[in-house]
This record gives sequence, C-alpha cells and structure tokens, in this order.
Amino acid sequence: AQTVTQSQPEMSVQEAETVTLSCTYDTSESNYYLFWYKQPPSRQMILVIRQEAYKQQNATENRFSVNFQKAAKSFSLKISDSQLGDTAMYFCAFTLSLIKAAGNKLTFGGGTRVLVKP
Amino acid sequence: DGGITQSPKYLFRKEGQNVTLSCEQNLNHDAMYWYRQDPGQGLRLIYYSQIVNDFQKGDIAEGYSVSREKKESFPLTVTSAQKNPTAFYLCASSPRWGKRGGLETQYFGPGTRLLVL
Repeated sequence: AQTVTQSQPEMSVQEAETVTLSCTYDTSESNYYLFWYKQPPSRQMILVIRQEAYKQQNATENRFSVNFQKAAKSFSLKISDSQLGDTAMYFCAFTLSLIKAAGNKLTFGGGTRVLVKP
Repeated sequence: DGGITQSPKYLFRKEGQNVTLSCEQNLNHDAMYWYRQDPGQGLRLIYYSQIVNDFQKGDIAEGYSVSREKKESFPLTVTSAQKNPTAFYLCASSPRWGKRGGLETQYFGPGTRLLVL
C-alpha cells in the first residue's frame, strides 16, 4: 500500500516571501503521479500542480513549483512571492499510473496549514 | 459551466436514519469518487466508480453505499451502520480511466458537511 507523509502540520510566511512544504511518499511502483491540492477556508479542493514520475523535469505553475526527488521519494512544494490568498491547507497526494492501477485512487497526506501574514 | 455539484451543503442526520448525499458532474468524466475528511486530517476514499453500473469499495466503505446508474451521478448513502458519520464529504471525478495523457487528475466538488443530531 502507498503512504504519503507531510511532516509539517503548520507553517507561516510573510507576504511576498517564499515557503516550502515537504512531502514524502512510499511506493514500490515506478509509474505514478503526484499532486498538490489546496483547500482554502471554503473547503473546495483546488489542484495546484501535478508531476508525472516518468518526467525528470520539475513541474511549475506560475508561483508554484515542485522539487521532485524520485530516488528519495520526496515531492516538496515551493510557493514563491506568497500572497494572502495562498492561506489554506495544502495536501500532497499520490496515485498510481492508470495503466497499472485498478482504479485511479488518490492517497492523501495529512496536510500542512499555511498562513500568509501581511 | 462545467463542474461538479454536491447537495446539500449541510445535512443533519438523526440517530438510526439513512441519508443520501448527491453528486452530479457535467464534465463527461467516466470515473467518480467519494472521500471523507475529518477535522484536521486528509481525505480518505470511501467508494469509487470507473464506469456506469460498476463501483468498488475504497479504504473506509463500511456503513456507506453508492449507486452509479447514470454517468453524471454518483450518490452516496450514509447508513445507520455508520456509527460516526460526522465529517465533510467530498465528491470528485476524473476523465476516462485507463487512458494516458495527463488524464489522471481528479476534480472536486464543493463538499457536504454531515452532522449528527
């Protein structure tokens, strides 16, 4: 079974600064996908960024970027130029490649609460 | 507008009562999922369905039931057998299972908060 661990329950950052959230996962498979989802106070889950394990290049989406270290099974999220609207819970999630898996099941970490201070 | 809708936003259950949470999507997605979120925790998979008239248990299916009679609908029933139903329930969908090309991303509805009276 796959597991996802987020070791930082809460982090705070000043507006315009950078914060990095850590995520580690455990799997014996080689083809999989990793995601970061954001859950603001509205509780709507919003996809932030995704990474295919077969791609060595780290994904980026505007101010969000990841550091994907496949050998270390690490998938950290960096938020640059933090904005007040970035305040939310952030969840790391894992799924096996659809070709391999019997169903596209997401496994989530426990989340990291990010507070952006003005 | 394409998206996923869940209703109601808040639901109250009395002791011994079954309640049904609605999830509808107009994204033409084949796969649909139900997750449970407890306070301060991540999401846990209850049930998922890859195609109409087929569904599988997730990690915490006991006390829940689902149906998938239509592609766009995947209702979740919380039965009286679920002894601790108070939680936030999220429905999600994703494009066709088994097809490559970046289609594994799940998109979520706004959620239903279930409370026990």
